[in-house]
Order: sequence, then structure tokens, then C-alpha cells
Amino acid sequence: AQKVTQAQTEISVVEKEDVTLDCVYETRDTTYYLFWYKQPPSGELVFLIRRNSFDEQNEISGRYSWNFQKSTSSFNFTITASQVVDSAVYFCALSEFMNTGFQKLVFGTGTRLLVSP
Amino acid sequence: EPEVTQTPSHQVTQMGQEVILRCVPISNHLYFYWYRQILGQKVEFLVSFYNNEISEKSEIFDDQFSVERPDGSNFTLKIRSTKLEDSAMYFCASSGEGGETQYFGPGTRLLVL
Repeated sequence: AQKVTQAQTEISVVEKEDVTLDCVYETRDTTYYLFWYKQPPSGELVFLIRRNSFDEQNEISGRYSWNFQKSTSSFNFTITASQVVDSAVYFCALSEFMNTGFQKLVFGTGTRLLVSP
Repeated sequence: EPEVTQTPSHQVTQMGQEVILRCVPISNHLYFYWYRQILGQKVEFLVSFYNNEISEKSEIFDDQFSVERPDGSNFTLKIRSTKLEDSAMYFCASSGEGGETQYFGPGTRLLVL
């Protein structure tokens, strides 16, 4: 079955530091999608990025960047110059295609990021 | 920007009572989902719904749970007889196609006493 591992339970940094959140996945599918979601203290899940398994190009969006390496089954997330507002739990997720052809998301256990001023 | 909405934001109920959690998916989306997150744990898939029927459900989604799309906009999750272990945050999500991004609502925090 699909599995997502986020080995870092909690990371604490000081504002302006760079931080990388690790995500390692296991899948039997040849086509799959990877996601990152942010869960701020208010509790909602905010979509950050979706990456197709065929697209290994790294992506940058402002202070956020993602490094997808199929060879190591990793999809790491880096925040540059972290800010207090980045404090949240970050979830990595993997699509799992079911027998019906529909997909569900399999989430990792999340990494809690604390950014202090 | 279109978003998924959920009501209520919080619900407190007594064990054995029925609860209905409501969701309004993004209007042009066709695929709907419920997930739950027990406090401090990861988000878990419950059920997916397409074309007015359940397409897939997890082992968590037993006979106590049901989903319905009563009209063109709402998508509901019903728990017939709540148990203490049903206390969790319940998220609704929707996507335009089966493989596209699932956008989540803000969640309903359910507390069963």
C-alpha cells in the first residue's frame, strides 16, 4: 500500500532561517501525484503544491521551493527566510488510485514547524 | 476565489446521538470526499463520492456513516449513533476531476461526550 513518511515531528527555527521539511513516499503506481498541504493553528488544510510523477523539475514559488527526486522517492519542501506566519503543521500527501479508478490521498503524519521571532 | 465551505465549524454531541455535517463543494467540481483527523494525528480518508454514489470507502466508514448529496450544492456526512472515538476534525474536499487537486474545506470539529 502507499505510504508517506515525514520523519521530522517538529522543527523549531528562528525567523529568517531556511528550513527543509522532508517527505519520503512508497507507491506501487507508475503514475501518481504528490502534494503538500499547510495546516495553520486555525485548523484548515491549505493546498500548496501538486506534482505529477512524470515531472521531476523543481519548483519555486516565492519563498517556497520543492525538490522532487524519484530516484530516492522524496519530495522535500524548503522555506527560505522563514517567517512567524509560516508556523503550522505541514502535511505531505500521495495519491493512491483505487480499484475503481478513483483516487484518495494518503497523508504523512505531518511536521510541526515553529518559527520564533 | 471559489472555496469549499463546511458547517458547523464546531459540534458537540452526546454519545449515541446522530450528527449531520454539511459541506458545499466548489460549484463546478464533480468529485467529493470526506476525511477525518483525530486530534494530533494524520488526516485519513473516509469516503469518495461521484455521480451520486459512493465510489470508494475506507474501513473506517462503517454502517454508522452515510453520505448524501441532497441537492445540487450540498454534500453531507451523517453519523447515525456517535461514539466517543468519532471525536475528530472532519474535512470535506472536492476536485474537478478524479486525479486533480483536492481542495479542502475548513473542517468541522466534532466532540462526542
